[in-house]
Amino acid sequence: LAKTTQPISMDSYEGQEVNITCSHNNIATNDYITWYQQFPSQGPRFIIQGYKTKVTNEVASLFIPADRKSSTLSLPRVSLSDTAVYYCLVGDFNTDKLIFGTGTRLQVFP
Amino acid sequence: DGGITQSPKYLFRKEGQNVTLSCEQNLNHDAMYWYRQDPGQGLRLIYYSQIVNDFQKGDIAEGYSVSREKKESFPLTVTSAQKNPTAFYLCASSITGQAPYEQYFGPGTRLTVT
Repeated sequence: LAKTTQPISMDSYEGQEVNITCSHNNIATNDYITWYQQFPSQGPRFIIQGYKTKVTNEVASLFIPADRKSSTLSLPRVSLSDTAVYYCLVGDFNTDKLIFGTGTRLQVFP
Repeated sequence: DGGITQSPKYLFRKEGQNVTLSCEQNLNHDAMYWYRQDPGQGLRLIYYSQIVNDFQKGDIAEGYSVSREKKESFPLTVTSAQKNPTAFYLCASSITGQAPYEQYFGPGTRLTVT
């Protein structure tokens, strides 16, 4: 399983775009990149998943460079309700277990 | 309304007692998982099951046991052998074999052992 490295914490203000980068140098050919969001005392919630290039859904975008050794989660125009912990996971999820690191704690200020 | 239910939300036990945490899903998912989360930490995998009547140990299985007799249910027993059982326990489920490989999580059970 590829190890991931992401910042421990980030601060932002309402209305700003937030980019959280995750490093995964040992990513394997069959690995996907997935991001989850977790609020206190709740289970994580799936945000987005990608394999290469760019993926966009209604809440976020995921940018993956050609070498796939890193990825960036982009949250457009954050609000106070985006204050949470964000986890980057890498793996062949069809066969692998999910490994959650400590994540990035995002604090959004008014 | 499909989803995963865990009960109870809060559970208190005395040291030395076994306790079973419930997890039920009506999403028709084949795979189910149990995680443990300690304050300020990420999730750690306890057990997982990809099919009925089969399950595998995760990274921290010692002191825990599971069963998977039905597709919908994956109960976790915290035994007296688990040295530090006080934690937040999360159950999840997923389909297998196709992307996106998304796990759906339940609301969690906070277990306190004194």
